[in-house]
Amino acid sequence: EVQLVESGGGLVQPGGSLRLSCAASGFTFSRYDMLWVRQTRGKSLEWVSAIGTAGDPYYSGSVKGRFTISRENAKNSLYLQMNSLRAGDTAVYYCARQKGGNSANALDIWGQGTMVTVSS
Amino acid sequence: EIMMTQSPATLSVSPGERATLSCRASQSVASNFAWYQQRPGQAPRLLIYDASTRATGVPARFSGSGSETEFTLTISSLQSEDFAVYYCQQYNNWPLYTFGQGTKLEIK
Repeated sequence: EVQLVESGGGLVQPGGSLRLSCAASGFTFSRYDMLWVRQTRGKSLEWVSAIGTAGDPYYSGSVKGRFTISRENAKNSLYLQMNSLRAGDTAVYYCARQKGGNSANALDIWGQGTMVTVSS
Repeated sequence: EIMMTQSPATLSVSPGERATLSCRASQSVASNFAWYQQRPGQAPRLLIYDASTRATGVPARFSGSGSETEFTLTISSLQSEDFAVYYCQQYNNWPLYTFGQGTKLEIK
């Protein structure tokens, strides 16, 4: 079964750090571009960070300089290191797989999400 | 940034009836466009990509149309499991993807 499973969320104080992980299974992880997408409570979806098959990272303006995306193909894993966390980063964080075939494409597989709460 | 605007915010429809959801992009995205369904407590699920192609396992009652800036999702005969929130998304330029604010489809 093709699957993504996130972990690492939790409660952290403003200014703190968290590392999210996403374990992939059921497909050849190294062949796919991967993204982190977040969803604030009752709100829509926001692209946070992405990484290509070659390991090239991309960040939205709201997290650039604070978050670091990485992948470890040998472990079929995606990571998001989040530093200098703010209240506005509170959200459910999803990892998602981009459909193969084109340089830009829809997101066909999503994890179940992990909740990150930034609060004192 | 390409803005995606969905309408209406909430749509009330009776089971068995047709539902039509709309999404507008602030600039042309060609056919680089998708629809997602999100049920309470679940992750988004891809329904439609490339504006009109159903994803694997998606029932034929779901159809997508449109291009450039105007897109529509039609559900031909609503089933109980279709009442959910629907999001549109453009993927015209990797990875600067943006989503609409969602349309909640509720039972009338």
